[in-house]
Amino acid sequence: GDSVTQMEGPVTLSEEAFLTINCTYTATGYPSLFWYVQYPGEGLQLLLKATKADDKGSNKGFEATYRKETTSFHLEKGSVQVSDSAVYFCALSDRPGAQKLVFGQGTRLTINP
Amino acid sequence: SAVISQKPSRDICQRGTSLTIQCQVDSQVTMMFWYRQQPGQSLTLIATANQGSEATYESGFVIDKFPISRPNLTFSTLTVSNMSPEDSSIYLCSVEERSSGGSTDTQYFGPGTRLTVL
Repeated sequence: GDSVTQMEGPVTLSEEAFLTINCTYTATGYPSLFWYVQYPGEGLQLLLKATKADDKGSNKGFEATYRKETTSFHLEKGSVQVSDSAVYFCALSDRPGAQKLVFGQGTRLTINP
Repeated sequence: SAVISQKPSRDICQRGTSLTIQCQVDSQVTMMFWYRQQPGQSLTLIATANQGSEATYESGFVIDKFPISRPNLTFSTLTVSNMSPEDSSIYLCSVEERSSGGSTDTQYFGPGTRLTVL
């Protein structure tokens, strides 16, 4: 079945550091890919998405590029802030209209001032 | 995006009791989804609720344990029945974003209900 694998956490960085959170997926079709963020004590928020190969999703300084050849959707940010501390989830929807999201295990990110 | 609210935001319940969680959306939506997030883990889909029909449950989840209602296009409830400590989780509802072209595959989530079962 479809699956999403994220890099092991937790990840701790200093403010203004470069961030990469790896995400790879397995899917039988051509999935849409998502990054969601969960701030402490809150629900999930959609951070960005990409729906086809080579698409780049971006939001709030975060970027991720849909790489079909490597089945990856790594999340990057050039300069992180303390306010970026949260849990980040990579997810896929395996086919249009499938309406089911498959989530990775989540990566807890802590940014120290 | 839709604005989604859930009640209660958190609760502490005794073993063997039941809790009903409400999910309210500020716009009409066809599909609503219920997820469970066990402590320190990822999200797992419990069921999909379509207005006017029975909910569709994922493998490992059954209607007797997690009955769902969907009385209209803006509201749904999930009941966690005969609770045990293993049911301690965050329960989230979500809705699908639609466009003129149909499904966008994007889901937006409510703030979640944090349930602790003693």
